[in-house]
Amino acid sequence: GAGVSQSPSNKVTEKGKDVELRCDPISGHTALYWYRQSLGQGLEFLIYFQGNSAPDKSGLPSDRFSAERTGGSVSTLTIQRTQQEDSAVYLCASSSRGQGGETQYFGPGTRLLVL
Amino acid sequence: GQNIDQPTEMTATEGAIVQINCTYQTSGFNGLFWYQQHAGEAPTFLSYNVLDGLEEKGRFSSFLSRSKGYSYLLLKELQMKDSASYLCAVSEIGSARQLTFGSGTQLTVLP
Repeated sequence: GAGVSQSPSNKVTEKGKDVELRCDPISGHTALYWYRQSLGQGLEFLIYFQGNSAPDKSGLPSDRFSAERTGGSVSTLTIQRTQQEDSAVYLCASSSRGQGGETQYFGPGTRLLVL
Repeated sequence: GQNIDQPTEMTATEGAIVQINCTYQTSGFNGLFWYQQHAGEAPTFLSYNVLDGLEEKGRFSSFLSRSKGYSYLLLKELQMKDSASYLCAVSEIGSARQLTFGSGTQLTVLP
């Protein structure tokens, strides 16, 4: 597609449930990033995928968070046993080669609310 | 690690000029980005600086001083649509290519 797309755009769930968030990067982009943005805060890095390399998971806040990227394209971020503090906007971005200094293009985000 | 500071809020008048500052501390600087984010929308790329100096792009300019760990975004001829959050983000050598973002500066343009 023309840009990064994410689904769902909004998700309301109950505490303790699992959720899956999807990201479709820009076609041809090999690097994919997940960030989290809490209300009024900057973006917090979660995880980074580059081609077929092992992902950098250093930003994941707990073992309840995991992500995968199938076929080097679509990525799914999974949050297990959601907690209220997981409520945030989850943003996905992609860049062409994952090189330092490359522009990252962001999707519209998924707004997650955990009740 | 990195530490990025920018003002939380700024207010300016339509037609005026506003400068949004960003200071950073990093062990291996590899470039600084400015993004614009309207409420409820994704951040959109504005500018990228890796060398010292001023980069001008229409009404927006971005300046970088690597020795001072300092950047600013200059917005001229402000328009109401410029009301948004402006995010400063730093890329670090040796990182996993992710950007480290400041908390953003919420700019309100008044008529």
